[in-house]
Amino acid sequence: DTAVSQTPKYLVTQMGNDKSIKCEQNLGHDTMYWYKQDSKKFLKIMFSYNNKELIINETVPNRFSPKSPDKAHLNLHINSLELGDSAVYFCASSISAGPNQPQHFGDGTRLSIL
Amino acid sequence: AQSVTQPDIHITVSEGASLELRCNYSYGATPYLFWYVQSPGQGLQLLLKYFSGDTLVQGIKGFEAEFKRSQSSFNLRKPSVHWSDAAEYFCAVGAKTGANNLFFGTGTRLTVIP
Repeated sequence: DTAVSQTPKYLVTQMGNDKSIKCEQNLGHDTMYWYKQDSKKFLKIMFSYNNKELIINETVPNRFSPKSPDKAHLNLHINSLELGDSAVYFCASSISAGPNQPQHFGDGTRLSIL
Repeated sequence: AQSVTQPDIHITVSEGASLELRCNYSYGATPYLFWYVQSPGQGLQLLLKYFSGDTLVQGIKGFEAEFKRSQSSFNLRKPSVHWSDAAEYFCAVGAKTGANNLFFGTGTRLTVIP
């Protein structure tokens, strides 16, 4: 059973479009995250939700809007896509928001902007 | 602010040889330290973590890491590398207070030759 699943795995779209990436975890975790991994493999946190509430909101353009309908889901919507948004986006979850909680990652969504 | 440096971008070792991947961190106190592995096209998997106590920690797949406070290092080691260990390895540091915000290094790509 997949613990943290993201859809789609690949997303190719044109500049200016709006797209969403979905994430679901079946681990019963309270906390979920979105990370962006750039072309140089640098991984940086974007957002974190704990029990559907936003707790980490790094410096990210407001074109990116996370939504957590329940604690098992954390979706990422991106408006007006730009070339620089091309990256791999990872969803992760942890039991709680405590700093010592290991994070479990999905397989990533590779977003390519044409 | 926390930061992580992985000085080696790419390492090549022969199968059966020993391995050491370097990680140096910057943090005001002893942080939480993690090593993750990323296989091609997949998400990150936790190898091991250090929170406190014994400075030599054992992880999955035969990996171990040693925390050295005096050197601000948390190097990953394996006595005998297998071809399946070829992957990208990420060191990460987490603050001991606040939200579970991980800061990742830029990764070390491991190639294993027969």
